[in-house]
Amino acid sequence: DAGVIQSPRHEVTEMGQEVTLRCKPISGHDYLFWYRQTMMRGLELLIYFNNNVPIDDSGMPEDRFSAKMPNASFSTLKIQPSEPRDSAVYFCASSEGPNYEQYFGPGTRLTVT
Amino acid sequence: ELKVEQNPLFLSMQEGKNYTIYCNYSTTSDRLYWYRQDPGKSLESLFVLLSNGAVKQEGRLMASLDTKARLSTLHITAAVHDLSATYFCAVDGRSQGNLIFGKGTKLSVKP
Repeated sequence: DAGVIQSPRHEVTEMGQEVTLRCKPISGHDYLFWYRQTMMRGLELLIYFNNNVPIDDSGMPEDRFSAKMPNASFSTLKIQPSEPRDSAVYFCASSEGPNYEQYFGPGTRLTVT
Repeated sequence: ELKVEQNPLFLSMQEGKNYTIYCNYSTTSDRLYWYRQDPGKSLESLFVLLSNGAVKQEGRLMASLDTKARLSTLHITAAVHDLSATYFCAVDGRSQGNLIFGKGTKLSVKP
């Protein structure tokens, strides 16, 4: 398996623009997680899905952030409108079950100017 | 509030020395996870500790879990430069399925 795949790897955008991050989990994994990592706040869980259904989105910072998982092999994290404080590395991870180890993707480094 | 605390947060050590990283947590979780992150890279799973008293070793790293003390340790033996990275511990979160991560310990091994 190729592991968790994320795209793009780097994204530079201007404040106010819409940003869409994409993730393909490992095949057969029922759980998908979106994290954000910054120097100041460390690694934060934004939202996670079980069998394509959002389970806990309490980490989503505000309404500008939304996430979807239309099928078992694809998820998106959208920021609209983006702000400079959204600049971070966004990781997607997947696991085969609850409380199993999570496998992380390579991350998307987002810079909002 | 569920907390996972690692210490130290920064560790600079000489090659060949031994040291231990500590991970304290506030939940009653029976599972604990250790991850490694190289600069600019993703997180890589190192160990999954599934029960009280669990001990796992790979190379110069050994992890242990004491669920009664809510403490896990990551012991480094005879450190080498290749071990320089940030190490995270994580425990099961409130909701079934998620993990709560510590802030990480940034390890720098110097020759």
